[in-house]
Amino acid sequence: NAGVMQNPRHLVRRRGQEARLRCSPMKGHSHVYWYRQLPEEGLKFMVYLQKENIIDESGMPKERFSAEFPKEGPSILRIQQVVRGDSAAYFCASSPPGSQNTEAFFGQGTRLTVV
Amino acid sequence: AQSVTQPDIHITVSEGASLELRCNYSYGATPYLFWYVQSPGQGLQLLLKYFSGDTLVQGIKGFEAEFKRSQSSFNLRKPSVHWSDAAEYFCAVGKAAGNKLTFGGGTRVLVKP
Repeated sequence: NAGVMQNPRHLVRRRGQEARLRCSPMKGHSHVYWYRQLPEEGLKFMVYLQKENIIDESGMPKERFSAEFPKEGPSILRIQQVVRGDSAAYFCASSPPGSQNTEAFFGQGTRLTVV
Repeated sequence: AQSVTQPDIHITVSEGASLELRCNYSYGATPYLFWYVQSPGQGLQLLLKYFSGDTLVQGIKGFEAEFKRSQSSFNLRKPSVHWSDAAEYFCAVGKAAGNKLTFGGGTRVLVKP
């Protein structure tokens, strides 16, 4: 049973380009969470999705960032017109339905560098 | 709003010595508490979790943590550290429903030979 898969592991973008980060949850998991880790900081919650629904996006920046989790395929975190301050590690976590008493499993992360 | 504080940014410990990492949380209800470890350039691995029941929780790699409600703390301990324990450690708190986690700033552990 493969774990949470994120790709790419490393992504370099020039300022103004778009970044697309993918997350395939563990088999059977229908809840996906995205977190951002800025250099030398802890992880900050961004968004919580279930299949085809955004449940909680209270941590998402108001502009340029969007997330989706379609019925088929991976969850996508999209950052438009990237700026240097978007450079960070982005982690995805997944959990199964009825996650009252289970932990979320984290992927290896995507390290975004904006040059 | 919930918050997590890890007062120690860096800790250096000798191999074979004991280790204790502090974690204090602020949360309005019964918290779900977690400790994760992150090796350089890697993702997060769960060490242990507390949801309810016995306040002393055993985890992987010889780690344990104790939940103290009166002190709003969830400190992580290991009796004898190994060089492979050098990593960054994160304490996190979550809601009962779902897994939206609030993380502390992390404690970086360096192990001296």
